[in-house]
Amino acid sequence: AQSVTQPDIHITVSEGASLELRCNYSYGATPYLFWYVQSPGQGLQLLLKYFSGDTLVQGIKGFEAEFKRSQSSFNLRKPSVHWSDAAEYFCAVGGPSSGGYNKLIFGAGTRLAVHP
Amino acid sequence: ETGVTQSPTHLIKTRGQQVTLRCSSQSGHNTVSWYQQALGQGPQFIFQYYREEENGRGNFPPRFSGLQFPNYSSELNVNALELDDSALYLCASSLKLGGTDTQYFGPGTRLTVL
Repeated sequence: AQSVTQPDIHITVSEGASLELRCNYSYGATPYLFWYVQSPGQGLQLLLKYFSGDTLVQGIKGFEAEFKRSQSSFNLRKPSVHWSDAAEYFCAVGGPSSGGYNKLIFGAGTRLAVHP
Repeated sequence: ETGVTQSPTHLIKTRGQQVTLRCSSQSGHNTVSWYQQALGQGPQFIFQYYREEENGRGNFPPRFSGLQFPNYSSELNVNALELDDSALYLCASSLKLGGTDTQYFGPGTRLTVL
């Protein structure tokens, strides 16, 4: 069965520190992978996506993610966190095995808190 | 701003009632998907509409139904509301079915069932 696991429910970092949010997926075919961010009371904003090619993907707001097929992972990173990055982050997968590239399976999310 | 709007923002209903949630997609987007996000969880795919036809459904019962209109708007209807239907309902639109087009999410409708 297709699934996405985000092992960390809650992460707290200091402003200026580096960040890595973990995402592991289970998927039958080559996945399309996404990271979304959700601020309180807001919808989802796409940070970055991976379809093919270079396994290191650059996104908005200084985020990047690396696709590692051997580890079934797509971890999100940022070298220096800003207070405004505090939000909930969702990893998602789509593709033929879930019925379509835009029929996404989401993880449960990681809530990021940033200390000043 | 994603150009996708949803109404109403919040809604309170009682068990057994029916509810209609609305979504207005970006102009030209002929694909809309609906998701349910329960508190503390990630969004779950309900169904997708492409050119006014349902194009795939997640693990949701038939009392969840939808419509898509030619003017890029869509509706999610839920009959016989249950307490577990309390959630944030998100719609997302994209330019076309499949491919690598980005899905744009609306801000959601928060439904509370008492």
